[in-house]
Amino acid sequence: AQKVTQAQTEISVVEKEDVTLDCVYETRDTTYYLFWYKQPPSGELVFLIRRNSFDEQNEISGRYSWNFQKSTSSFNFTITASQVVDSAVYFCALSEAGGTSYGKLTFGQGTILTVHP
Amino acid sequence: ETGVTQTPRHLVMGMTNKKSLKCEQHLGHNAMYWYKQSAKKPLELMFVYSLEERVENNSVPSRFSPECPNSSHLFLHLHTLQPEDSALYLCASSQDRTVRETQYFGPGTRLLVL
Repeated sequence: AQKVTQAQTEISVVEKEDVTLDCVYETRDTTYYLFWYKQPPSGELVFLIRRNSFDEQNEISGRYSWNFQKSTSSFNFTITASQVVDSAVYFCALSEAGGTSYGKLTFGQGTILTVHP
Repeated sequence: ETGVTQTPRHLVMGMTNKKSLKCEQHLGHNAMYWYKQSAKKPLELMFVYSLEERVENNSVPSRFSPECPNSSHLFLHLHTLQPEDSALYLCASSQDRTVRETQYFGPGTRLLVL
C-alpha cells in the first residue's frame, strides 16, 4: 500500500487563483512527521514545512498554508493568489520510525502545478 | 557556499565509462543520502550514510558505488551503467537520522547514459 498519496498528478491554474494540493498518508506510528517540498524546474527539492503528529494546528506562511487533519490522515497545502513562480512539482513526504531507531522518509508521487499568467 | 551542493549538474556518459558524482554539505550534518529520481516514479532512496558509515543500501546494483570520506562529502561512483540508469540523482543531508530531522537536498545531477 502506498504510504503517501498525492492523487492530483497535475493541476493547472491561472495566476491569482487559489489552489490546494492534497496529501493523504498512512502510518501505524503515533509519532511521525510530515513534510512538503517544492521542486522547481532547476531540480533542487526545496524544504517548505515540517509538522509533527502531535501538532494539528494549521500553519500559515505568507501565501502558503497547511491543513493537517489526523482524523482523515491528510496534510493539504494551499497556495493563495498563485503566481507563475509557484509553478513546480510539489512533494508531500512522511517520516516514520516503524519500530526502528531511525526515521525513514517516504515521498508521494508529486503534483505538477502549472500557474499560467 | 551554503546548503548542499552537487557536481556536476549534468553528465552524459557511455555505458563503458566510469564517472563520479560529488556532493558536499555545508550544514554540519551527520547523515547524508543518495536518491534517484526517474521520470514518473517517486524518489527512490539508494544509500544512507551516518557518521561516515554506510547504514542503508536499498538493493542498489553494484554498478553504483558510494563513498563517504568525511561527514561533509559524499560520492557516487558510476561504472558500466545502463540506459535505464538515466535519471536525476539527488543528494541530501540531515542533522542525524532520527524521525524528526529534515532532509535538505542539493540541486541534483541529471545523468544521461547512452
